[in-house]
Amino acid sequence: DAKTTQPPSMDCAEGRAANLPCNHSTISGNEYVYWYRQIHSQGPQYIIHGLKNNETNEMASLIITEDRKSSTLILPHATLRDTAVYYCILGGNTGKLIFGQGTTLQVKP
Amino acid sequence: GAVVSQHPSWVICKSGTSVKIECRSLDFQATTMFWYRQFPKQSLMLMATSNEGSKATYEQGVEKDKFLINHASLTLSTLTVTSAHPEDSSFYICSASAGRDFAFFGQGTRLTVV
Repeated sequence: DAKTTQPPSMDCAEGRAANLPCNHSTISGNEYVYWYRQIHSQGPQYIIHGLKNNETNEMASLIITEDRKSSTLILPHATLRDTAVYYCILGGNTGKLIFGQGTTLQVKP
Repeated sequence: GAVVSQHPSWVICKSGTSVKIECRSLDFQATTMFWYRQFPKQSLMLMATSNEGSKATYEQGVEKDKFLINHASLTLSTLTVTSAHPEDSSFYICSASAGRDFAFFGQGTRLTVV
């Protein structure tokens, strides 16, 4: 499976936008970019996914570069409850996901 | 979003005994379910993929005779840890997919073997 590269940790001020980057230079044409997050001692929570176009839902926005080699997850107004490990994962539409190390986002008051 | 439920949420068992963990998709039919294991401060590691009515496919290095997976219906998969030992203590997480979309995860099961 293709791999992704994410910074190990990031801080964000409460109320500000959190922009989480992800590099996936070896992405293949039929692979989606998925974002999940895991709050301590819970199962991962689906956030958003996309193939080529930018996507937005009630939780976040996903910006995918035109060459699809990188993407950014945007949490528009981060709250303390958004503190979690965020995973950027490539995959097909089968549900099989191979997790990397993710980015630990710390939202600070 | 869809709901995937695991039971139990936590379990403590004696070394040498077997433990069964259930994973249910509550509001959709899951053609495929996945089992993961997560050790402290580490990421999730995929253990196996199970499809309803067929044998599970195990990832390299995962002992299929130790981690028995049954996917008897489109809404239920079970993971049985046989002859558990302290090194099997971990956080076990399942996910379920309808085969055309992304996967939803259960809340996880904390297994402690004493």
